[in-house]
Amino acid sequence: TQLLEQSPQFLSIQEGENLTVYCNSSSVFSSLQWYRQEPGEGPVLLVTVVTGGEVKKLKRLTFQFGDARKDSSLHITAAQPGDTGLYLCALAGGTYKYIFGTGTRLKVLA
Amino acid sequence: EAGVAQSPRYKIIEKRQSVAFWCNPISGHATLYWYQQILGQGPKLLIQFQNNGVVDDSQLPKDRFSAERLKGVDSTLKIQPAKLEDSAVYLCASSLGPGTTVEQFFGPGTRLTVL
Repeated sequence: TQLLEQSPQFLSIQEGENLTVYCNSSSVFSSLQWYRQEPGEGPVLLVTVVTGGEVKKLKRLTFQFGDARKDSSLHITAAQPGDTGLYLCALAGGTYKYIFGTGTRLKVLA
Repeated sequence: EAGVAQSPRYKIIEKRQSVAFWCNPISGHATLYWYQQILGQGPKLLIQFQNNGVVDDSQLPKDRFSAERLKGVDSTLKIQPAKLEDSAVYLCASSLGPGTTVEQFFGPGTRLTVL
């Protein structure tokens, strides 16, 4: 069974700080998605990465897919309170069954 | 464009009772997913439909959970009888089709508390 481990599990930082969260698997994956989930809502897709070594930027968020396609990272520059939420990585396995990571719960304090 | 609708938003039941959740996906989305999200964890896929056929239900506890998607549109997820460990948020999502890079659109979820 393929598992996605995310770290750290919890992160509390001050507004304006930078942070990085990680997603790791024991297996190679063909693509990976990052979602953000706010309290009381469902996850919302942030980005999909498909190529080893790929880097994608979404405003202050930078996503990287590892060269070996077994890990990914999300870096947030100058975090804001609006970035608060649960960050989830996800991949589709066989028969397109989606597997979500364990999640990183981020709190940005004003 | 209307999003994925789910009802009810909250439900509290006693153990051994039955409960049903309803999901209306985005119009035109052929693939529908039900996930269980236990507090502090990522969502776990319970069942995936392609139109009205089941693609994957390998993690659905079939002795107590059932789901259907009649006419390939709306879907219901039922638990009978409920156990304490079923307390979780049940998320419904839809996508245009299956695939490894499709965007899933999630509803707000139904928070179930089993006492």
